[in-house]
Amino acid sequence: QLQLQESGPGLVKPSETLSLTCTVSGGSMNSGTYYWGWIRQPPGKGLEWIGTVYYSGITYYNPSLKSRVTISVDTSKNQFSLKLSSVTATDTAVYYCARLWGRGASILAFDVWGQGTMVTVSS
Amino acid sequence: DIQLTQSPSFLSASVGDRVTITCRASQGISNYLAWYQQKPGRAPKLLIYAASSLQSGVPSRFSGSGSGTEFTLTISSLQPEDFATYYCQHFNSYPFTFGPGTKVDIK
Repeated sequence: QLQLQESGPGLVKPSETLSLTCTVSGGSMNSGTYYWGWIRQPPGKGLEWIGTVYYSGITYYNPSLKSRVTISVDTSKNQFSLKLSSVTATDTAVYYCARLWGRGASILAFDVWGQGTMVTVSS
Repeated sequence: DIQLTQSPSFLSASVGDRVTITCRASQGISNYLAWYQQKPGRAPKLLIYAASSLQSGVPSRFSGSGSGTEFTLTISSLQPEDFATYYCQHFNSYPFTFGPGTKVDIK
């Protein structure tokens, strides 16, 4: 059964870079059927799509975060990563990694999610 | 960018009630819409994809319908474990935005 697990610091200082890793177990990231993504949720608020990466390294980012976001993939380790630079208190959120599934050329849903990791931006 | 709105934002219902949540897109998205359920402190769970396809393992009391700009999620008979927040998300084009959510609470 596929599982995703986020890891990284729970506390980041303002203006620094938030770095998280998602480790995929129970399956290979090399399948061309799937993309991989990051989603975040500020405390008490809704969900925000951050970005998506294909196993080949092709990325798509939310325009509202694009200037600060980098998502990368390391298929040899079955991991993908998120870096968010110049963070402020508004970046405080639970960060989820998830598998993005589709059929043919159509992307359909995030079907497998990690448990999420809380990241607080504070000095 | 395509924006999604949900109505109502909050819904109070009783066990056994039929519940309907609406998601509207700012432009046509064909059937590229998914619905998720989220309980406090938990990751979202996929319920419906492609507007009306039930994810494996999800109870049949959940159903989705719609295409274009208007979509609905229906729970035919609300169960105690269904009290949660429900989100729609589109996959028509990047960015894949979520709706603001609908919280279903116990009456």
